[in-house]
Amino acid sequence: DAGVIQSPRHEVTEMGQEVTLRCKPISGHDYLFWYRQTMMRGLELLIYFNNNVPIDDSGMPEDRFSAKMPNASFSTLKIQPSEPRDSAVYFCASSFAAGGFTGELFFGEGSRLTVL
Amino acid sequence: AQTVTQSQPEMSVQEAETVTLSCTYDTSESDYYLFWYKQPPSRQMILVIRQEAYKQQNATENRFSVNFQKAAKSFSLKISDSQLGDAAMYFCAYGTYNTDKLIFGTGTRLQVFP
Repeated sequence: DAGVIQSPRHEVTEMGQEVTLRCKPISGHDYLFWYRQTMMRGLELLIYFNNNVPIDDSGMPEDRFSAKMPNASFSTLKIQPSEPRDSAVYFCASSFAAGGFTGELFFGEGSRLTVL
Repeated sequence: AQTVTQSQPEMSVQEAETVTLSCTYDTSESDYYLFWYKQPPSRQMILVIRQEAYKQQNATENRFSVNFQKAAKSFSLKISDSQLGDAAMYFCAYGTYNTDKLIFGTGTRLQVFP
């Protein structure tokens, strides 16, 4: 399997611009998670989906952030408008949970976002 | 609220030596699981080892083993015969059976010197 695929790997944009990060989970996985990693706050869970349905978005920092999962093989995380404090590495992870969530996550390589 | 604490921001070890990374957590749950994840410079996080709280035996994966002390809420990772490829950020994580998400610690950066 190709693993979790994220794009872009690097994104540099200017404040106020819209940013869209993309994720393709491992085929057959029914959980998808979006995490944000910064030096100050470590790994923060932003939102996660189960069978394409958003389950918990309490970690989404504010209304400028939105996430969608239109089908089992694709998810997006959008920031509009972007701000310098959104600069971070954004990770997507997926998991397979037949019989119950096991906690073993498979991570993508992350998207490094820099907002100038 | 559950929390995970890694009190060592950085550690270093000489190649072939043994190093122990510390992790403590706070929970009122009795059933849960704990993980150590490794994040190498390539950024992709990979699972190193997993421990379920109901198991008394400490988990072992090759050179990696844990010291799980449930009463003390402690979950340390021991790396034996350290190799240069072990250099990475190591994250401790906690999860329960009735939620579908993991809580991560802030990480420990491990340097391995030849």
